[in-house]
Amino acid sequence: KNEVEQSPQNLTAQEGEFITINCSYSVGISALHWLQQHPGGGIVSLFMLSSGKKKHGRLIATINIQEKHSSLHITASHPRDSAVYICAVPQGGSEKLVFGKGTKLTVNP
Amino acid sequence: AAGVIQSPRHLIKEKRETATLKCYPIPRHDTVYWYQQGPGQDPQFLISFYEKMQSDKGSIPDRFSAQQFSDYHSELNMSSLELGDSALYFCASRPRALMNTEAFFGQGTRLTVV
Repeated sequence: KNEVEQSPQNLTAQEGEFITINCSYSVGISALHWLQQHPGGGIVSLFMLSSGKKKHGRLIATINIQEKHSSLHITASHPRDSAVYICAVPQGGSEKLVFGKGTKLTVNP
Repeated sequence: AAGVIQSPRHLIKEKRETATLKCYPIPRHDTVYWYQQGPGQDPQFLISFYEKMQSDKGSIPDRFSAQQFSDYHSELNMSSLELGDSALYFCASRPRALMNTEAFFGQGTRLTVV
């Protein structure tokens, strides 16, 4: 089973700060997902990446397949970025996802 | 753009009752996944379907069953509900032919068993 570790578990930042959330996994994968979950539960897919870097607005995701590590960066953080950010990877050769414990981000104005 | 629709959004049931949760995938998405997220827990895979056939099965109790219909929507049926079934149940969909695309998630159904 693929094990997913995220850090930090909790993160508090001031508005405007640069945020980094890390994810490590134990078994080689084809792609990694970054998800955002707001209070109330709804999950939004932010990125799916298999190599290199992807950017969407103020969000940047990077992955190093050899090191089995990915990072999610948020530039110029804003209180509306406050949410739980979850890293997820496929389990073994299947399509089902194994999720990290999530990083709870709070951005204060 | 159309997203994954789940209904109901909230559901309160008593112990030993039954519940049916519905998931309507994005049009032309033929693969549906169900996940259960208990309070303070990370999501756990329950079951998935492709073209109306079960494609994978996770930690789904025998009291639960699910199916996918010809229009690709899926229903999760839960019987003899227990307090521990209280959780957020969300589904995700993707097109099987484009497996390198990301899955899209629904808003979830929050089930509370009292």
